[in-house]
Amino acid sequence: EAGVAQSPRYKIIEKRQSVAFWCNPISGHATLYWYQQILGQGPKLLIQFQNNGVVDDSQLPKDRFSAERLKGVDSTLKIQPAKLEDSAVYLCASSLVAGSLNTGELFFGEGSRLTVL
Amino acid sequence: SQQGEEDPQALSIQEGENATMNCSYKTSINNLQWYRQNSGRGLVHLILIRSNEREKHSGRLRVTLDTSKKSSSLLITASRAADTASYFCATDEAGYGQNFVFGPGTRLSVLP
Repeated sequence: EAGVAQSPRYKIIEKRQSVAFWCNPISGHATLYWYQQILGQGPKLLIQFQNNGVVDDSQLPKDRFSAERLKGVDSTLKIQPAKLEDSAVYLCASSLVAGSLNTGELFFGEGSRLTVL
Repeated sequence: SQQGEEDPQALSIQEGENATMNCSYKTSINNLQWYRQNSGRGLVHLILIRSNEREKHSGRLRVTLDTSKKSSSLLITASRAADTASYFCATDEAGYGQNFVFGPGTRLSVLP
């Protein structure tokens, strides 16, 4: 079974520039998450999708961050314009739809490391 | 929103010793999970314990859950150098759907 795919793995940009990250979840996983992990901290949820609908985006800085999940499969997270404090690893995770078959386990990609100079 | 808090922040032990990490949280949960993260990699699921369970085992891992104290512990027995990683607990708040909140993690170093 293929895992969660993310790209790019590394990105270096200047502040005020824009950047986009892509995620392809495990086939059949309806729920997709984007987490931000700052060095030395735990992952912080940015947005959660169920199929192509947003379940929770309460911690997404909507003035600069946007995310979409067209057709309920792949997802893109965009930052525009980037700030120095956006330097972090952006992790994508997926899980099965909630229900009796759902173990609740999250499957993570390797992450996209962003450095803002 | 609630957040798990792991304790200690860092732990250094010798190979063969046992490692115990603790997690505390604030509100009622559906389940609690433990994840491992090797440096520069994504998180890997270790074990899930539901709110109606008190103890669970998986290989060298033992997890306990005390819902009255809102705490959990992860025990790794007979540790190996390969267990060196950060360990995170994640809680799924009751009535909130699958919204997983992670703590800051425990950095475990197992010395050969």
